[in-house]
Amino acid sequence: GQNIDQPTEMTATEGAIVQINCTYQTSGFNGLFWYQQHAGEAPTFLSYNVLDGLEEKGRFSSFLSRSKGYSYLLLKELQMKDSASYLCAALDSNYQLIWGAGTKLIIKP
Amino acid sequence: EAGVAQSPRYKIIEKRQSVAFWCNPISGHATLYWYQQILGQGPKLLIQFQNNGVVDDSQLPKDRFSAERLKGVDSTLKIQPAKLEDSAVYLCASSPGTGDVGEQFFGPGTRLTVL
Repeated sequence: GQNIDQPTEMTATEGAIVQINCTYQTSGFNGLFWYQQHAGEAPTFLSYNVLDGLEEKGRFSSFLSRSKGYSYLLLKELQMKDSASYLCAALDSNYQLIWGAGTKLIIKP
Repeated sequence: EAGVAQSPRYKIIEKRQSVAFWCNPISGHATLYWYQQILGQGPKLLIQFQNNGVVDDSQLPKDRFSAERLKGVDSTLKIQPAKLEDSAVYLCASSPGTGDVGEQFFGPGTRLTVL
């Protein structure tokens, strides 16, 4: 079956760095997405990786290892507004997105 | 560029009643998705349209859910009759391409409460 695993909840301190991990098992693979979802709002796109390696975009970076079925989202210089759920989603061979349950990130002052 | 529009934003109904949700995707986007998101879970794809044809409706409970996308633009999702377990946020999303890796743009969602 197809499966996405990510931690349910993480806590970090304002100004610090946090890494949110995601492992995936899909029928074929056409890339991995990270979305941010604030409470009561719709998901918004953060990043897309299809090749191995690190993609950096401002304070956020995303890493992919296809051989390990593993990705992480790295958030630097955490701000209170980064408190949200972070959803990992893998694109399978039919270009269908398989979604994880999301990681709720709590930022403390 | 206007985003994905959805209405209503909130709906409260009693079980066994009917309800309909409306979605207007971003202009020119070929693909439209309806997702169900239960609190604390990731989105679950209900149905995917490419223009006005159905690409995937394998997870749509067809005995009670129906959806259409007339003229390949806006779409309606209906539940008839509703059950308590249908309480969730119903998200509509669209993407520009067809069967590619395009980013999905989400609407604000409709929060459904079934009593």
